[in-house]
Amino acid sequence: AQSVTQLGSHVSVSEGALVLLRCNYSSSVPPYLFWYVQYPNQGLQLLLKYTSAATLVKGINGFEAEFKKSETSFHLTKPSAHMSDAAEYFCAVSDSGGYQKVTFGIGTKLQVIP
Amino acid sequence: DAGITQSPRHKVTETGTPVTLRCHQTENHRYMYWYRQDPGHGLRLIHYSYGVKDTDKGEVSDGYSVSRSKTEDFLLTLESATSSQTSVYFCAAATGPSSGGAFEQYFGPGTRLTVT
Repeated sequence: AQSVTQLGSHVSVSEGALVLLRCNYSSSVPPYLFWYVQYPNQGLQLLLKYTSAATLVKGINGFEAEFKKSETSFHLTKPSAHMSDAAEYFCAVSDSGGYQKVTFGIGTKLQVIP
Repeated sequence: DAGITQSPRHKVTETGTPVTLRCHQTENHRYMYWYRQDPGHGLRLIHYSYGVKDTDKGEVSDGYSVSRSKTEDFLLTLESATSSQTSVYFCAAATGPSSGGAFEQYFGPGTRLTVT
């Protein structure tokens, strides 16, 4: 069975500061990993995905994530937070076979303080 | 929203009544999914479909059924609504392997369901 653990259900950063959202995964097979963002009253939008092509993955809106197999981690970072980054972020994992059912983490709400 | 709509967007219903939520997509995605979102649980898969009339259960399927008679529509039915089914329901769709092989899911705007 696959799972993800997001450390910290709420994270606050100052505008301009580094954003770091943590995600650790568990999977018995090489996984696909994703970060999604959800703005208030909206559906989820894909930020980036890891598919084994490169361990450092760049996504939209200046976000990136690094796959570290030894640490089973896929943390999301952004060098400088912007007010518009305030949202809920979900880490997710799927296996590489079949219908690729996705398992989501519980989410991390990012607050950006002006 | 990648051409995915959900209806209704909001619904209040009474315990014991059947409820059907509709997901409609215009991009000819083969795969479709229903999730529920609850605080502290993230999104949990209810049912999914891998083609017309081909469906299977997810991790929280009890009390729910689905149907897919056309590529573009995926219906979720709560057979007899209970208060524990109060939630926000999201539909998602995917075409299949994208670059790198992973399925990229596109989400609808959600339906907020309250069961009183």
